[in-house]
Amino acid sequence: QVQLQQWGAGLLRPSETLLLTCAVYSGSFSGYYWSWIRLSPEKGLEWIGEINHSGSTDYNPSLKSRVTLSVDTSKNQFSLKLTSVTAADTAIYYCARDASGNSREGWFDPWGQGILVTVSS
Amino acid sequence: DIQMTQSPSTLSASVGDSVTITCRASQSISSWLAWYQQKPGRAPKLLIQKASSLESGVPSRFSGSGSGTDFTLTISSLQPDDFATYYCQQYHSYPYTFGQGTKLEIK
Repeated sequence: QVQLQQWGAGLLRPSETLLLTCAVYSGSFSGYYWSWIRLSPEKGLEWIGEINHSGSTDYNPSLKSRVTLSVDTSKNQFSLKLTSVTAADTAIYYCARDASGNSREGWFDPWGQGILVTVSS
Repeated sequence: DIQMTQSPSTLSASVGDSVTITCRASQSISSWLAWYQQKPGRAPKLLIQKASSLESGVPSRFSGSGSGTDFTLTISSLQPDDFATYYCQQYHSYPYTFGQGTKLEIK
């Protein structure tokens, strides 16, 4: 069954750039859309954006100016870049698959294990 | 953005009880609603999509209903493994949005 494993820096200083990567194992990469979602005490679960194997993206307007999603199909990986981070970006970041496939309905299964990213000076 | 409001925020119940969590959307989302279960230190797990379609492997004591703006997640005969936080999520339109969560605690 498909598994998602994610990694990246867990401690950032304000104004730095967050970079996380998620690898997809044991499943189709091209047949799905892939999302990033974060969880914080202040905002709860917040959808960040999605990307497919050809690089087609959609972003949450609240973060769009600072977010870039990218994909490496040779490695079945996708990445999140978030610039100019502040304490408000402190959260657990998850990668997840839109399980509806190319119909792109927007429900998520499975999720990666999550990474706590802390922004602090 | 579509706002999703869950109630209650916290729910105390005992093993064997039946409980209902409510999720209300700020506008009609037809049946484009999912429910997730999250346990401490774990990623959310999909329980139900399209408001009432139970995912494979999810116990039949979980059920979802509703359409339009009002939805419910019911757990009948609570088991110890069910004590967790539950989230609803709309996927009717971008950006996808989630409820604030309902923490189900042991009484």
